Amino acid sequence: GQQVMQIPQYQHVQEGEDFTTYCNSSTTLSNIQWYKQRPGGHPVFLIQLVKSGEVKKQKRLTFQFGEAKKNSSLHITATQTTDVGTYFCAGPTGGSYIPTFGRGTSLIVHP
Amino acid sequence: DGGITQSPKYLFRKEGQNVTLSCEQNLNHDAMYWYRQDPGQGLRLIYYSQIVNDFQKGDIAEGYSVSREKKESFPLTVTSAQKNPTAFYLCASSYSAGGTDTQYFGPGTRLTVL
Repeated sequence: GQQVMQIPQYQHVQEGEDFTTYCNSSTTLSNIQWYKQRPGGHPVFLIQLVKSGEVKKQKRLTFQFGEAKKNSSLHITATQTTDVGTYFCAGPTGGSYIPTFGRGTSLIVHP
Repeated sequence: DGGITQSPKYLFRKEGQNVTLSCEQNLNHDAMYWYRQDPGQGLRLIYYSQIVNDFQKGDIAEGYSVSREKKESFPLTVTSAQKNPTAFYLCASSYSAGGTDTQYFGPGTRLTVL
């Protein structure tokens, strides 16, 4: 079953508001990846985190990897309509080296 | 995300028919994957292949079959045994099957069973 939990499933925001999605695993992850899927499109790789407590930024996006390497978050500052889409986290779990994807968080930005 | 093609984009089939989805990559990647995406379910792994002539079942392999005769190609057959085949199917590839390798996705095939 699903070993990577992601919340919330949906998030509505007004343009300019901040947004955060959270990813939690029941086991320690060697790394975590984040992908974005635009409506009608396919997932596109955003970033990978490997180190405990790692923080990476891409313009308005901030990615964090927890100290215990069991959780991660993606924070978007001042959302724009171009941020609309579903954000997935993925990490190898249960001894497998194949990443397990979370169910994703769909971000809806209202202008 | 370039270098992976999937065809067709939309596919309709009658119940009880087998159908094969195409996936080709020119990225020289060893590993290839098939995922199924349903609303609210995220991406679920059907099959993956680490190298030519080898493939492994994923979480939801029942009713599906694959082959990997060439490095560039990883076709997926949805058989009549798959009870609920209507879904969006995504093919992906990565340099290797290591957990740190980025996956590159194709544009997907939307299969509808009539």
